[in-house]
Amino acid sequence: GNSVTQMEGPVTLSEEAFLTINCTYTATGYPSLFWYVQYPGEGLQLLLKATKADDKGSNKGFEATYRKETTSFHLEKGSVQVSDSAVYFCALSSLGGSYIPTFGRGTSLIVHP
Amino acid sequence: GAVVSQHPSWVICKSGTSVKIECRSLDFQATTMFWYRQFPKQSLMLMATSNEGSKATYEQGVEKDKFLINHASLTLSTLTVTSAHPEDSSFYICSASDSGIHEQYFGPGTRLTVT
Repeated sequence: GNSVTQMEGPVTLSEEAFLTINCTYTATGYPSLFWYVQYPGEGLQLLLKATKADDKGSNKGFEATYRKETTSFHLEKGSVQVSDSAVYFCALSSLGGSYIPTFGRGTSLIVHP
Repeated sequence: GAVVSQHPSWVICKSGTSVKIECRSLDFQATTMFWYRQFPKQSLMLMATSNEGSKATYEQGVEKDKFLINHASLTLSTLTVTSAHPEDSSFYICSASDSGIHEQYFGPGTRLTVT
């Protein structure tokens, strides 16, 4: 079945530091990959997505590249801000999984001034 | 972008009572809606998938008689927690998906506290 593995948090960084949150997946077929962000007390928001191999999703300075050869979709940002503090979820959906979404466990990011 | 609302945003109820949570897609037709439960500092637990006009598909371990899901229209799904108990206290989140689009649009969540 489908699965998503994320690095455990919390990830604690100083403002303007470089961010990487690792995500690897196992899926049948050719999944679409997503990063969602959840701010405290709120629902999830789509941050970025990629629907085929070598696609790069980007939004608000965050980027992730769909790497089929390594089954990875790592999230990166060159310079984090305090306002980026949130929980980040990697997710996938695929035809093989009947498009029922599969989420990683989430990685908490804490950015200090 | 697509917007999903949930109502109420928080609710406190007494043990033994029932609570209904609404999930609405405001600017698109949601052929599929998902209901999740989230415990503090944990990931989302998918409870059920509902398609408009048909019975919900519940994940293993989720009591369908306790968590009643109705997807009466392409813009509305409801989750009713029946005979609520303190252990049902949690953050409930819905999401909706348009046909042909695999990403989901999430509601803001409902905080349920059962006393």
